[in-house]
Order: sequence, then C-alpha cells, then structure tokens
Amino acid sequence: QVQLVQSGAEVKKPGASVKVSCKASGYTFNDYYLHWVRQAPGQGLEWMGWINPDSGGTNFAQKFRGRVTMTRDTSISTAYMELTRLRSDDTAVYYCARDAYGSIFDSWGQGTRVIVSS
Amino acid sequence: EIVLTQSPDFQSVTPKEKVTITCRASQSIGSNLHWYQQKPDQSPKLLIKYASQSFSGVPSRFSASGSGTDFTLTITSLEAEDAAIYYCHQSSYLPYTFGQGTKLEIK
Repeated sequence: QVQLVQSGAEVKKPGASVKVSCKASGYTFNDYYLHWVRQAPGQGLEWMGWINPDSGGTNFAQKFRGRVTMTRDTSISTAYMELTRLRSDDTAVYYCARDAYGSIFDSWGQGTRVIVSS
Repeated sequence: EIVLTQSPDFQSVTPKEKVTITCRASQSIGSNLHWYQQKPDQSPKLLIKYASQSFSGVPSRFSASGSGTDFTLTITSLEAEDAAIYYCHQSSYLPYTFGQGTKLEIK
C-alpha cells in the first residue's frame, strides 16, 4: 500500500533552516508528483508547492518563493522540503502528499511538526 | 488567488442526522473541487474528488455535488466516527487553495 513516512519533529530558532524528508513506498516514486502542505496550530491547510520526482521540476506558491527548496533522491524514493529564514509564523505541521493526477492529494504523510522559537 | 469559503464553520449534530457542508469559490473552478476529512491529530484523508466522485474506500454515506462556484458535501446518517474537520480544496488555479474548514461535532 502507498505510504509516505516523514522525518521527525524539529525545533528551530528564528532565522534558521529546516529540512523535512518524505520517504515513499508502495508505488513507483517517479510516477507521481509530491506536494507539500502545511498547517499552523489550530489553523487550516496551506499549499506550499510541488515537485516532480521524475524531472526534479518544482513549482511553489508565491508566498514561499525564495525561501523554499524542494528536492528528491530517486535512489531512496525520498523527497525533501527545505524552508529557510524561519520565522515564528512558520511554526506548523508540514505534510507531504501524493498527487493522484490532477493535483488531488490521495495519500498523505503523517506530518512533521516544526516549531520556530527563540 | 481563489478563495474558498465554507459554511458553516462549526456544526454540532446527533448521530443519524444528515449534514450538508457548502463550499463557495470566488470564481468558477469547474469541477476541480475536492473534499478531505481530518480527524484530530491525523493527516487529512481524501473523500471526494472532482466535485462528486467518491474516493476508493469512502463510505457511501458521503456524497457531494456542484460545479462552477458552488459545491456541497453531504453526509447522510451521520456516525460518531465522522467527527472531524472537513476541507474543500481547489486544483483549478495556482496557488491551490483550501477552504477554512468545517468542524463537525457529534453530540
């Protein structure tokens, strides 16, 4: 079955960077885009961007351009999302989600909690 | 950016009741509207894709309809396990956006 397993929780200081991983299994990694979505405490869902694991191509929400990088290592079926120059309002749970063709998110990782605090 | 507005924000319902949640888009998005369920401390789960197509394994009490700017999610004969926050999501225009969520509480 499709599984997306994310890395563990992180605590970072303002201005630092965080890199979250998302390891895929149960399907052909290169065949499906992966998206990143975040959820601030008690808030709704916010789309950050996607990566095409096959080509490495990416597309980000304007809000995150310049601060976010999405990469992948196809040899280990893992995608990464790095967010730099962290601020307190980046405190959130970050999810990776598989794109079931058409930017519909049919499988989600368990989430990675990132706390930004001095 | 497409703004999705859900109503209500919160609803308290009894088991076996029928529930309807609406999602209104700020401009036409065709049928590119999807619904997710998020239970406490869990990741969202896809319920409905393309406005009305049930996702695999989703109980038949969940159904949805709509196109353009107005969409509804209906849960017939509510069960206790349906307590969750429900989100709509549009994939018609970048950036992809979500509604603010509708919290369902079971009395």
